[in-house]
Amino acid sequence: DQQVKQNSPSLSVQEGRISILNCDYTNSMFDYFLWYKKYPAEGPTFLISISSIKDKNEDGRFTVFLNKSAKHLSLHIVPSQPGDSAVYFCAASANNAGNMLTFGGGTRLMVKP
Amino acid sequence: NAGVTQTPKFQVLKTGQSMTLQCAQDMNHNSMYWYRQDPGMGLRLIYYSASEGTTDKGEVPNGYNVSRLNKREFSLRLESAAPSQTSVYFCASSEIAGGIAGELFFGEGSRLTVL
Repeated sequence: DQQVKQNSPSLSVQEGRISILNCDYTNSMFDYFLWYKKYPAEGPTFLISISSIKDKNEDGRFTVFLNKSAKHLSLHIVPSQPGDSAVYFCAASANNAGNMLTFGGGTRLMVKP
Repeated sequence: NAGVTQTPKFQVLKTGQSMTLQCAQDMNHNSMYWYRQDPGMGLRLIYYSASEGTTDKGEVPNGYNVSRLNKREFSLRLESAAPSQTSVYFCASSEIAGGIAGELFFGEGSRLTVL
């Protein structure tokens, strides 16, 4: 059973609007969460992360929100740009598991000009 | 600025054949990993090496072996390939060996098809 789930396989957004990508997890031991971005024929690259002691982390156009009680996190991209079109993976880890990240299935974001 | 380099990028095998995926990193990282990516499944950890001289199983280790040749290199071997091993394989490395999660640096991937 997948411990990290991204229930939307794809998302289409107009350029300039907000993109919201969602991620749910089931393991209450997870205490660190990351988002990776992947372009075709490339490896995933780190985008942004959040510790469980926070509920929000912001980096430029990217903001990650964490709702621990709901075991839910989301990535907001504002404003969305065509170059943001990629597959986004949510990942989580437990403090006593080193860098053993558990990944979600990914969401393909398409930003239309 | 190479980062993590994987070879080969593409490979087609017949069932039962063996092959080795090579990975090297030039960032002096302690930890290295092998993941596989399948549609809808995200990336699943096959094996990892927290530090030079150690290797451990991940989530899906069956059918694979690994060797941490030195600090830079971490290889993945398929002894007898099966169609279920058709996937895209990613090698990754990280500075932090354990305790607190950190950023992973990935290679470009190796697409393997087993007929």
